[in-house]
Amino acid sequence: NAGVMQNPRHLVRRRGQEARLRCSPMKGHSHVYWYRQLPEEGLKFMVYLQKENIIDESGMPKERFSAEFPKEGPSILRIQQVVRGDSAAYFCASSPYLGTAETQYFGPGTRLLVL
Amino acid sequence: EDKVVQSPLSLVVHEGDTVTLNCSYEVTNFRSLLWYKQEKKAPTFLFMLTSSGIEKKSGRLSSILDKKELFSILNITATQTGDSAVYLCAVEAATSGTYKYIFGTGTRLKVLA
Repeated sequence: NAGVMQNPRHLVRRRGQEARLRCSPMKGHSHVYWYRQLPEEGLKFMVYLQKENIIDESGMPKERFSAEFPKEGPSILRIQQVVRGDSAAYFCASSPYLGTAETQYFGPGTRLLVL
Repeated sequence: EDKVVQSPLSLVVHEGDTVTLNCSYEVTNFRSLLWYKQEKKAPTFLFMLTSSGIEKKSGRLSSILDKKELFSILNITATQTGDSAVYLCAVEAATSGTYKYIFGTGTRLKVLA
């Protein structure tokens, strides 16, 4: 059973471009969480999704950021018109059901660098 | 505003030392407190604590929660160089019918040979 997969592992974008980060949860997991880790800071919750639904996006910046988890395919975190401050590691975690923090499995992360 | 504060921010010790990492929180609708170890990859889960005063142990690591004073500690005895990592504390809180996680900034532990 493959773990949580994220791609790309490293992404370089110039200011103003779009960044698309993908997360494939573990098989059988229908809950996906996205976190951002800024340099020298802790993980910050961004958004929680179930298949085809955004459950909690209270940690998402109001502009330029969006997330989806379609019925088929990976969850995608999209950042439009990236700025240097978006440079960070973005982690995805998946869980088989709601509210079970100890069964959240993390992916390896995508490291975004905005030039 | 919900917050989780970890201390110290960084720590350097020698192999064999014992370390205590602290995590205090102010969170509405607390559900559980979690400790993670983060090396160069994604965080790996260590402990989940929900009840006060019950120590959880795993090898040389142990952790306990005080829900009255709103803090937790993570102890590592007989440290080894492989314990060098960032240790993250997170609190799970109920919110609007679902749950969210508030992370501290982490404690960076460096164990010298």
